Amino acid sequence: GNSVTQMEGPVTLSEEAFLTINCTYTATGYPSLFWYVQYPGEGLQLLLKATKADDKGSNKGFEATYRKETTSFHLEKGSVQVSDSAVYFCALNQAGTALIFGKGTTLSVSS
Amino acid sequence: NAGVTQTPKFQVLKTGQSMTLQCAQDMNHNSMYWYRQDPGMGLRLIYYSASEGTTDKGEVPNGYNVSRLNKREFSLRLESAAPSQTSVYFCASSQRTGAGNTIYFGEGSWLTVV
Repeated sequence: GNSVTQMEGPVTLSEEAFLTINCTYTATGYPSLFWYVQYPGEGLQLLLKATKADDKGSNKGFEATYRKETTSFHLEKGSVQVSDSAVYFCALNQAGTALIFGKGTTLSVSS
Repeated sequence: NAGVTQTPKFQVLKTGQSMTLQCAQDMNHNSMYWYRQDPGMGLRLIYYSASEGTTDKGEVPNGYNVSRLNKREFSLRLESAAPSQTSVYFCASSQRTGAGNTIYFGEGSWLTVV
């Protein structure tokens, strides 16, 4: 079945550092890929998504590129801020299926 | 601008008690979902409803029942609560199921079973 694997955290960075959170997936066919973010005490919010191979999703300085050849959708940001501290979830869905999540990666950014 | 609203936000139950988590969305979405979130496990799908009048099991349905009351509302019932059901529960909705449809989440319900 479909699955999502993302790097385990926590990831601890200093402000203005470069961020990469790895995500790989297993799926038949061509899934759509998502990154969601969860701030403390809140529900999940969509950060960005990509619906076909080679698409790049971007939002708030974050970006991720749908790589079919490596089945990956790594999240990157050039310069993180303290306010980016949160839990980040990689996820996928396909036609007729609900969203399947990775286990989440906690990011902590210090000033 | 309510989006997905779920109640209650916090609940403590004794083992064996029953309760219902309520969820409503005001976005005219067809599909609704219940997930649970546990430390180190990410979010796991309990049940979903692709459209009004249909419900399907997700990854972890045991111990739960759901009702799609109408297009807006999707409730989750614990008939006999167990400590293993201590978790944070999220209701969510989307226009359709799958294929790039963005899912919108409620703020969560923290349930403790003692």
